[in-house]
Amino acid sequence: EVQLVESGGGLIQPGGSLRLSCAASGFTVSSNYMSWVRQAPGKGLEWVSVIYRGGSTYYADSVKGRFTISRDNSKNTLYLQMNSLRAEDTAVYYCARGPYSSSWSGFDPWGQGTLVTVSS
Amino acid sequence: EIVMTQSPATLSVSPGERATLSCRASQSLSSNLAWYQQKPGQAPRLLIYGASTRATGIPARFSGSGSGTEFTLTISSLQSEDFAVYYCQQYNNWPPLYTFGQGTKLEIK
Repeated sequence: EVQLVESGGGLIQPGGSLRLSCAASGFTVSSNYMSWVRQAPGKGLEWVSVIYRGGSTYYADSVKGRFTISRDNSKNTLYLQMNSLRAEDTAVYYCARGPYSSSWSGFDPWGQGTLVTVSS
Repeated sequence: EIVMTQSPATLSVSPGERATLSCRASQSLSSNLAWYQQKPGQAPRLLIYGASTRATGIPARFSGSGSGTEFTLTISSLQSEDFAVYYCQQYNNWPPLYTFGQGTKLEIK
């Protein structure tokens, strides 16, 4: 079964750091584009970052310079290192495969999400 | 940056009727557009990719159409489980900024 499971969320003070993990099963992370998407409470979806199969990484302007996407091929796991966190980073963070797998095919599957709350 | 605009923000439809949701892009996407369904407390679920291809396991009552800058998601004969929020998303290759629309809430009339 193709599945993604996120972990690492929690309550963190402004200016702090947190690392999210996304463990994949049923497919190989390094053979796919992998993305992070977030959703602030009661709001819509916001794309955050993507890592290509070749390792190139890209970010939304709102997180550029503060967040870093990476992967550990031996653990088949995707990460999001979040530094200099702000109150506006409070959201449920989802990892997702895509938008490219064997073809351009959107984001599928998605993990269940992990909540990050930035507050003093 | 490509801006995605969905309309209407809220759509009230009776069960068994047809729902038509719209998504407009600020520049041409070719067919690099996806639709997602999200229910409260759940992760989004991919419905449509490539503007018109149903994802695996998605019922035939869901259909997508359009290309360029104008796209439509149609749900024929609404079922109770279809009432949710729907998002469109562009995934143009470059620049890799895979923006979402603001969502359309489909509610029971």
